[in-house]
Amino acid sequence: DAKTTQPPSMDCAEGRAANLPCNHSTISGNEYVYWYRQIHSQGPQYIIHGLKNNETNEMASLIITEDRKSSTLILPHATLRDTAVYYCIVRVGGNDMRFGAGTRLTVKP
Amino acid sequence: SAVISQKPSRDICQRGTSLTIQCQVDSQVTMMFWYRQQPGQSLTLIATANQGSEATYESGFVIDKFPISRPNLTFSTLTVSNMSPEDSSIYLCSVLRDSYTGELFFGEGSRLTVL
Repeated sequence: DAKTTQPPSMDCAEGRAANLPCNHSTISGNEYVYWYRQIHSQGPQYIIHGLKNNETNEMASLIITEDRKSSTLILPHATLRDTAVYYCIVRVGGNDMRFGAGTRLTVKP
Repeated sequence: SAVISQKPSRDICQRGTSLTIQCQVDSQVTMMFWYRQQPGQSLTLIATANQGSEATYESGFVIDKFPISRPNLTFSTLTVSNMSPEDSSIYLCSVLRDSYTGELFFGEGSRLTVL
């Protein structure tokens, strides 16, 4: 599976959009981009995934560049409860998930 | 969504002993995964457990240290054997919730402290 690079930490003001970047320059054509988050003391939670088209669900939007070498997870209106570690993972779908270091997002009032 | 129950939720153990962690899922699943999360670190995959076959271990993890059982499609156990303080971690069970999306669903984890 392709390796991902994320900033170790980010801050965001409550109510503003949180934009979390991820670089995956070695991604292959059949690898999906997944985002999970882990709130303190809980198991990871699935957020969203995509292959090459932008995706949106009730939690977030995923923007994937045309060359697929990077993506951005957008939380449109961040709340204090969105404070968590966010993991970007690229892999062929269906099986195990391998986690990198992630981005620690802190939403501040 | 699948409900995963892990037991124990936390435990404190003595060096040299073994502990078995149970993972119960409320629906039948083909693939189950065990992860370890050491303090302040990300998750590391230990092994994949499929019903009816031996678990597949990742590099750095061996069956003698982390034996896994998968007796049916709703249950699995992970044993941490001959524990040392370095085994102090959160151990998480995960299942493939949706084979189409590839989404994994995680339990809340078992926090193990080895003295």
